[in-house]
Amino acid sequence: NAGVMQNPRHLVRRRGQEARLRCSPMKGHSHVYWYRQLPEEGLKFMVYLQKENIIDESGMPKERFSAEFPKEGPSILRIQQVVRGDSAAYFCASSRQASNYGYTFGSGTRLTVV
Amino acid sequence: GENVEQHPSTLSVQEGDSAVIKCTYSDSASNYFPWYKQELGKRPQLIIDIRSNVGEKKDQRIAVTLNKTAKHFSLHITETQPEDSAVYFCAASSFGGNQFYFGTGTSLTVIP
Repeated sequence: NAGVMQNPRHLVRRRGQEARLRCSPMKGHSHVYWYRQLPEEGLKFMVYLQKENIIDESGMPKERFSAEFPKEGPSILRIQQVVRGDSAAYFCASSRQASNYGYTFGSGTRLTVV
Repeated sequence: GENVEQHPSTLSVQEGDSAVIKCTYSDSASNYFPWYKQELGKRPQLIIDIRSNVGEKKDQRIAVTLNKTAKHFSLHITETQPEDSAVYFCAASSFGGNQFYFGTGTSLTVIP
């Protein structure tokens, strides 16, 4: 089991471009969670998805950010018209079912907006 | 919502000494408290966790204590080693909740 896979590991975007972050959950897992970590801060919850459904997006900024988890393929976190403040590490985690256990994070995508 | 506070933000100890990191939470419904270790540029890794029906849990050199009444929990690392140097995060969640609420982290440095 390869664990939670995220790509790319590093992503550089100019202001105004779009960023697409991918997360492939562990095999057999249908629940995905996205967190954002700003420099020298803790992780902040963004969104929780099941296959084809957004369950909880209470942590997502209202504009420019969206997430999906299609029936086939990885979960995608999409950031449109990126700004410097979007620079952060974005981590995803997965679970087989809605989990109350400490889940395993992927290696993260470090987004730098220049 | 839940609010988790973590102290200290930085901690330096001599190799072999003990390190203690403390967290408080605000939501009495929280009943699960994991601790994560994050090395520079790497993913947070779960190192130990505790549920609210338990007051203490130990795993080799690492232990966690929970005081439900006071709403605080602590991580204890004994006989620290240089490889323990990392940022440690506490977190809290409630059963059936969709997310973890993280503290702001403690940067631990173990001096050889």
